Amino acid sequence: AQSVAQPEDQVNVAEGNPLTVKCTYSVSGNPYLFWYVQYPNRGLQFLLKYITGDNLVKGSYGFEAEFNKSQTSFHLKKPSALVSDSALYFCAVRLYSSASKIIFGSGTRLSIRP
Amino acid sequence: DAGVTQSPTHLIKTRGQQVTLRCSPKSGHDTVSWYQQALGQGPQFIFQYYEEEERQRGNFPDRFSGHQFPNYSSELNVNALLLGDSALYLCASSDGDGNEKLFFGSGTQLSVL
Repeated sequence: AQSVAQPEDQVNVAEGNPLTVKCTYSVSGNPYLFWYVQYPNRGLQFLLKYITGDNLVKGSYGFEAEFNKSQTSFHLKKPSALVSDSALYFCAVRLYSSASKIIFGSGTRLSIRP
Repeated sequence: DAGVTQSPTHLIKTRGQQVTLRCSPKSGHDTVSWYQQALGQGPQFIFQYYEEEERQRGNFPDRFSGHQFPNYSSELNVNALLLGDSALYLCASSDGDGNEKLFFGSGTQLSVL
């Protein structure tokens, strides 16, 4: 079955330090992978996606993600965290063969302390 | 250019009642997906509408139904509400070109008492 896992409920990082939010997936076939961010009382906002090509994908607000096929991972990273990055982050996956169904992980709350 | 708009923002119902939630997609988008987000969880896929038809469905009972209109707006209907239906219901639109970048509305918070 298609699934995506975010093993950490919460990640705490000091401002200015690098951050990583982990995501692993389980699909058959080639996946499309996404990261979304959710601020309080708001819908989700698209950050970045991996379809094919370069394993390092750059997205909005200075975030990037690294696709690792052998480890079936798609970790979200940022070199220097900002307090304003504090939010709920969701990893998502879509099968290449399924044009419509995107599956989300359970989310990771990122907290950046000043 | 308006993004995805949902109405109402909040709704309180009692068990057994029926509810209709509405969504207008982002301008230029023809595909609408509905998600249920329970507190502390990720969004769960309910179904997607394209060309006024349900294209794919998640693991939700038949009490959950939907509709898409010719102007691409959509409704989510839930019958015989249960306490467990309390959640944030999110609508997402996309342009259906296969890249599946979803644009989300702010959601409708449904409370079932």
